[in-house]
Amino acid sequence: AQSVTQLGSHVSVSEGALVLLRCNYSSSVPPYLFWYVQYPNQGLQLLLKYTSAATLVKGINGFEAEFKKSETSFHLTKPSAHMSDAAEYFCAVSDRGRRALTFGSGTRLQVQP
Amino acid sequence: GAGVSQTPSNKVTEKGKYVELRCDPISGHTALYWYRQSLGQGPEFLIYFQGTGAADDSGLPNDRFFAVRPEGSVSTLKIQRTERGDSAVYLCASSSPSGGTDTQYFGPGTRLTVL
Repeated sequence: AQSVTQLGSHVSVSEGALVLLRCNYSSSVPPYLFWYVQYPNQGLQLLLKYTSAATLVKGINGFEAEFKKSETSFHLTKPSAHMSDAAEYFCAVSDRGRRALTFGSGTRLQVQP
Repeated sequence: GAGVSQTPSNKVTEKGKYVELRCDPISGHTALYWYRQSLGQGPEFLIYFQGTGAADDSGLPNDRFFAVRPEGSVSTLKIQRTERGDSAVYLCASSSPSGGTDTQYFGPGTRLTVL
């Protein structure tokens, strides 16, 4: 079964610093990959997704992620953190031919002033 | 336009009781999903509907859990003989499948507490 590992349940950065949230998946066949963000008391919102087009995917709010097949990784980055980026971030995968998403356990991002 | 809505937003029940959770998908979305999110965890897939039929129910944990979507729009997740371990946030998502994959749009969830 597909699995997703998010290294670091909590990440703290200073405002203006680089954000790097890590995600690794287990499939030997490249799946579809997603990053979702969850703000307190709100539903999950899609940040970006990889579907086998360009390996560098740009999303909303200045986030981007790079698919690296050799490392089975799909890390999320943002050059300069903003206070409003504080939230929980989830990496998810779906096997080709299956609609269900498998989520990682999440990374809570704190942004310090 | 309106997003995915879920009712109730909070539900408190006693162990052994029956509960129903409702999901209204985005208008026109043919696919509907249920997930469960326990505290400190990522969402866990339960069931996926394409139209009125359950296309994938492999995530339902046991036969106490059942979901329906009789007219291909609104869905109800039903839990019988609730247990304390069923306490979680139940998330619904909908999508309009196209090609290999699609974007799932999530509702705010129903927080279920079983006392």
